[in-house]
Amino acid sequence: DAGVIQSPRHEVTEMGQEVTLRCKPISGHNSLFWYRQTMMRGLELLIYFNNNVPIDDSGMPEDRFSAKMPNASFSTLKIQPSEPRDSAVYFCASSGGWNYGYTFGSGTRLTVV
Amino acid sequence: LAKTTQPISMDSYEGQEVNITCSHNNIATNDYITWYQQFPSQGPRFIIQGYKTKVTNEVASLFIPADRKSSTLSLPRVSLSDTAVYYCLVGDDGAAGNKLTFGGGTRVLVKP
Repeated sequence: DAGVIQSPRHEVTEMGQEVTLRCKPISGHNSLFWYRQTMMRGLELLIYFNNNVPIDDSGMPEDRFSAKMPNASFSTLKIQPSEPRDSAVYFCASSGGWNYGYTFGSGTRLTVV
Repeated sequence: LAKTTQPISMDSYEGQEVNITCSHNNIATNDYITWYQQFPSQGPRFIIQGYKTKVTNEVASLFIPADRKSSTLSLPRVSLSDTAVYYCLVGDDGAAGNKLTFGGGTRVLVKP
């Protein structure tokens, strides 16, 4: 099992540009989560899906952020337009159920200059 | 979700046992206690989960007293590679799409 796969690993972009982060969850996992981590705020849950349906997006900071899960094997997190304060490590995680634990990807380090 | 409180940081030496206690006074009946480990530049990794008494696996032990208002993660004979941030989380089992809310974690530094 390749685990949760995120791409790209690193992204450097200019302010105002659109950024798309990608995630492939573990096959068979029915829940998918997007987190953001910064030194100041720690790990923040942005949005999560269950069976491809967004359940709670209350953590999405503002309308510039959007997430989709068109099928069970793929999800995207988009930031448009990006701002320097969006710089962080973005993690995707998937789970087959609470008592099976969550598996996190390696993250995407986003730098907006 | 039950709020958790754990020490910000702990220092230890190689070969020692490290115990991290987490307080969760308002834990609900259906809540499980789960610990994650995060190394620099990596995502958190599931370590252990329990409901009551004691749970042990190849990585750690988890001790939960009868009132379940706290729990202790025990790392036996730590090595330098155990330097990481350890998160305690509490949440219920069963409902679809249970979300994990991470607190600040405990930064463990293992010294030679």
